[in-house]
Amino acid sequence: DIQMTQSPASLSASLEEIVTITCQASQDIGNWLAWYQQKPGKSPQLLIYGATSLADGVPSRFSGSRSGTQYSLKISRLQVEDPGIYYCLQGYSAPYTFGAGTKLELK
Amino acid sequence: EVQLVESGGGLVQPGRSLKLSCAASGFTFSDYNMAWVRQAPKKGLEWVATISYDGSSTYYRDSVKGRFTISRDNAKSTLYLQMDSLRSEDTATYYCAREGLMVLFAYWGQGTLVTVSS
Repeated sequence: DIQMTQSPASLSASLEEIVTITCQASQDIGNWLAWYQQKPGKSPQLLIYGATSLADGVPSRFSGSRSGTQYSLKISRLQVEDPGIYYCLQGYSAPYTFGAGTKLELK
Repeated sequence: EVQLVESGGGLVQPGRSLKLSCAASGFTFSDYNMAWVRQAPKKGLEWVATISYDGSSTYYRDSVKGRFTISRDNAKSTLYLQMDSLRSEDTATYYCAREGLMVLFAYWGQGTLVTVSS
């Protein structure tokens, strides 16, 4: 099974700050990496797909990048509506696996 | 607008069965692979099962293989998850999800809670 190691587990940041979350895949998954945001009591919402493509309706302050088997989600200027839990997902091979999640809070 | 509406969750005793449904609308259901993803209370996300657009192929995580069955009725635009021999560790909110371009789970339903307890 492919393991997705996500870090950090939690972080606290100020408004307008730059935030970066990373996922390390245990093997090559190409660009089969997606990022989701989940708010309390809600279903996950797609932010990034194909490692770097922005999903429809997602603000441009969100971006994804890849370096080998390490993937990053960047929020360029943290806004008040951005706190939540962020997950990465590898869709390269079953069993499809999520990272453990990053809880993002406003400082 | 893509809509996925799950139903069928509830409280069930260990060893019993439950069948979840997911009614889809806003897109041509028979064109897309579909999946179930679950989330135990206060825990992360876990893929459960996937079915191909025509129902010819199914995939399961090991912990549910032989106990859960994913199926679909394209005429009714409905996805199902038959869950047998339920265990306490199956307690979770179950989401149905639709694939997208280069992504497995582009759209999600609101989820239905399954609680396995005596």
